[in-house]
Amino acid sequence: GDSVTQMEGPVTLSEEAFLTINCTYTATGYPSLFWYVQYPGEGLQLLLKATKADDKGSNKGFEATYRKETTSFHLEKGSVQVSDSAVYFCALRYNFNKFYFGSGTKLNVKP
Amino acid sequence: DTAVSQTPKYLVTQMGNDKSIKCEQNLGHDTMYWYKQDSKKFLKIMFSYNNKELIINETVPNRFSPKSPDKAHLNLHINSLELGDSAVYFCASSQVRVSGANVLTFGAGSRLTVL
Repeated sequence: GDSVTQMEGPVTLSEEAFLTINCTYTATGYPSLFWYVQYPGEGLQLLLKATKADDKGSNKGFEATYRKETTSFHLEKGSVQVSDSAVYFCALRYNFNKFYFGSGTKLNVKP
Repeated sequence: DTAVSQTPKYLVTQMGNDKSIKCEQNLGHDTMYWYKQDSKKFLKIMFSYNNKELIINETVPNRFSPKSPDKAHLNLHINSLELGDSAVYFCASSQVRVSGANVLTFGAGSRLTVL
């Protein structure tokens, strides 16, 4: 069935370091792909999305490109801040309203 | 004005009790969901309703019963609570769009602790 696999955490970086969180998916058809972020004690918030191959989603300095050939949607940011510390979830949507999430990757950014 | 609101935010109860969590969305969305997040942050879909009709019912014990009185509300009732039910339960909503632009909007979560 459809699924999402993302790299295990925690990922610990120093402020201003480059971030990559890997995400790959398995799906029949052409799902939409998402990154959600969960700050401590809060619900998940949409960070960015891409609905078709080669689309690039971007928000708050984060980017991810929908790569159909490698079935990937890796999250990147050029310079992380302490305030980016959170848990990041990769997700896919298929069949209009079914959303499946990866296991989450915790990011710790140290000053 | 909160888009997806859940109550209560925290719930501590004894094993064997029955409890409910309520969810309301004011976004005009037609689909609502319950997700369970365990202590390792893994997020698992439990149920989904579209216009008050159950459309997703994953492998969940039948002690869990969702109820959607209208498309803006989705409640979760849990009977005979067990220790393993301790988790954070998230309500979410979305608007189905053929264009593919629909996204999930989450509530802040309800942390259930079963003693």
